[in-house]
Amino acid sequence: QVQLQESDPGLVKPSETLSLTCDISGGSFGTYYWSWVRQPPGKGLEWVGYIYYSGTTNYTPSLKSRVTISIDTSKNQFSLKLTSVTAADTAVYFCARNTNLEYFDFWGRGALVSISS
Amino acid sequence: QSALTQPASVSGSPGQSITISCTGGKNDIGGYKYVSWYQQYPGKAPKLIIYEVTNRPSGVPHRFSGSKSGNTASLTISGLQAEDEADYYCSAYTSGTILLVFGGGTKLTVL
Repeated sequence: QVQLQESDPGLVKPSETLSLTCDISGGSFGTYYWSWVRQPPGKGLEWVGYIYYSGTTNYTPSLKSRVTISIDTSKNQFSLKLTSVTAADTAVYFCARNTNLEYFDFWGRGALVSISS
Repeated sequence: QSALTQPASVSGSPGQSITISCTGGKNDIGGYKYVSWYQQYPGKAPKLIIYEVTNRPSGVPHRFSGSKSGNTASLTISGLQAEDEADYYCSAYTSGTILLVFGGGTKLTVL
């Protein structure tokens, strides 16, 4: 059974860079897509972007200029960096596995990231 | 504003059936067989309950079912149980600028 676990960056200051990692256990990167999804407090889900096991990435347009997703196969983890954050980036960030790209079959527990000075 | 439209809330009594709709367009729900549904309890991660419109992952009860007609997908829960009270989100693959989109979510209340 694949398990995903996000790191816990906690509080990030405005204009700084949010960094998260997702550790994968119980499985390998295989031929899957690996995504980040976020959820602002009390609101709905938003797909942030994905990375394919080969390293190919795709990001949601509204965040594309600020987001980078990378992969480290030796550590069995993938990462999210979001630059120039504002209060609007406060959210629970989930890492998830996409099978066949179009659905998310395994999710991490989520990491609450608060943007505040 | 979400790309897919869901009712904000639905309710039903134990044993009844309810249906949650998810409306998109020809570039997402209407164009592909790639609609999925997620159940989310407060403070928890979403859980996949339907994929590719009608398929249930192993372990998901048969009383959860999905369908699609035109640009609208639906999730039906039959024989409603108290434990079904949760938020439900639809998601779809899209050929638009955003590759994967979610609905705004529907809060299900079991009366």
